[in-house]
Amino acid sequence: QKEVEQNSGPLSVPEGAIASLNCTYSDRGSQSFFWYRQYSGKSPELIMSIYSNGDKEDGRFTAQLNKASQYVSLLIRDSQPSDSATYLCAVNNDYKLSFGAGTTVTVRA
Amino acid sequence: DVKVTQSSRYLVKRTGEKVFLECVQDMDHENMFWYRQDPGLGLRLIYFSYDVKMKEKGDIPEGYSVSREKKERFSLILESASTNQTSMYLCASRLGVAGNTIYFGEGSWLTVV
Repeated sequence: QKEVEQNSGPLSVPEGAIASLNCTYSDRGSQSFFWYRQYSGKSPELIMSIYSNGDKEDGRFTAQLNKASQYVSLLIRDSQPSDSATYLCAVNNDYKLSFGAGTTVTVRA
Repeated sequence: DVKVTQSSRYLVKRTGEKVFLECVQDMDHENMFWYRQDPGLGLRLIYFSYDVKMKEKGDIPEGYSVSREKKERFSLILESASTNQTSMYLCASRLGVAGNTIYFGEGSWLTVV
């Protein structure tokens, strides 16, 4: 079983819609969780971090964490063409940060 | 701004060559990481270092070694490059506490022919 699994893409959403990205992790001792965005040919950049159960909102982005279900999600509201990218879920346990394979999102105008 | 610099952006090497990928960070971060990224596989951890001269194997250390003689520099070494090591290599750094943000360099695209 992979340590971090993301829903397979690609995910295509119309402009203005909500994009929903899901991630599950296998290590129950994981402590902190991150969502990164990666444009083609570029390195990942941090969008959100979340450490405790519940929702965390930052602008059009909302991260949700449920440690009991070992599940973390990212919602992108009012999706824009500039949101078209690959989104990587990352899970931290001690020093190690493990990534999922990523979900590619395309926002169509 | 945190800056993580990978000295070589694009390299082409021959099978069997020894390859050095250098990474320097300017924010006095304790932790440094080397990942490789391949289509459909995401980022896979090769090695990480939580302090000077300290190193830990990640998920795919075979065929690689690392060196961390100074806090700001973390080098990835391919002792004898092979074609299956053609990939994009990402260096990253983080301030010591595990929950802190990890910052990536711009990546090094290595082709082994």
